[in-house]
Amino acid sequence: AQSVTQPDIHITVSEGASLELRCNYSYGATPYLFWYVQSPGQGLQLLLKYFSGDTLVQGIKGFEAEFKRSQSSFNLRKPSVHWSDAAEYFCAVPESTGGFKTIFGAGTRLFVKA
Amino acid sequence: DVKVTQSSRYLVKRTGEKVFLECVQDMDHENMFWYRQDPGLGLRLIYFSYDVKMKEKGDIPEGYSVSREKKERFSLILESASTNQTSMYLCASSLPLDGYTFGSGTRLTVV
Repeated sequence: AQSVTQPDIHITVSEGASLELRCNYSYGATPYLFWYVQSPGQGLQLLLKYFSGDTLVQGIKGFEAEFKRSQSSFNLRKPSVHWSDAAEYFCAVPESTGGFKTIFGAGTRLFVKA
Repeated sequence: DVKVTQSSRYLVKRTGEKVFLECVQDMDHENMFWYRQDPGLGLRLIYFSYDVKMKEKGDIPEGYSVSREKKERFSLILESASTNQTSMYLCASSLPLDGYTFGSGTRLTVV
């Protein structure tokens, strides 16, 4: 069965520092992969998605993610974090059967310190 | 700007009441979903629909039902609200195998 693991429950970075959030997946074939962000009290917003092709994917808000098949990873990165990036981040992969449902990771909460 | 609209941001209901949560999308998406989100439990799928009048149970359908009479509208119904249904409810829509567009959420409190 497919699964998504986000090893870090929370991460704290200083404003202006670089960020990497980890995501590992278990999937039978080349997966579609997604990252979402959720600000407090809000719904989730799609940051970026990987379907095929270039393994480095650019998203909104200056985020990017790299698909590494050999490591079953899809880590999210940002070169310089802003205080407004403080939020919870979710990695996700569709179920392989039918594609109607999505499996979400448990989320990583990002704290940004001044 | 495309979006998913949930009818209420905050809702307070009494135990035993029948509660309707409405969700409308303007993107002509086939798929629509209802999740609840609780601290420490992540996102849990309640029901989803891949077409008008079609519905499928998710991981935690007990105590809930849904209705999809029109493509753009997906309603979640709490038949008899209970305190353990106090939660954040999130509606989403998508094309098949694509990312989701979420609504802003409804924070429901059952007293």
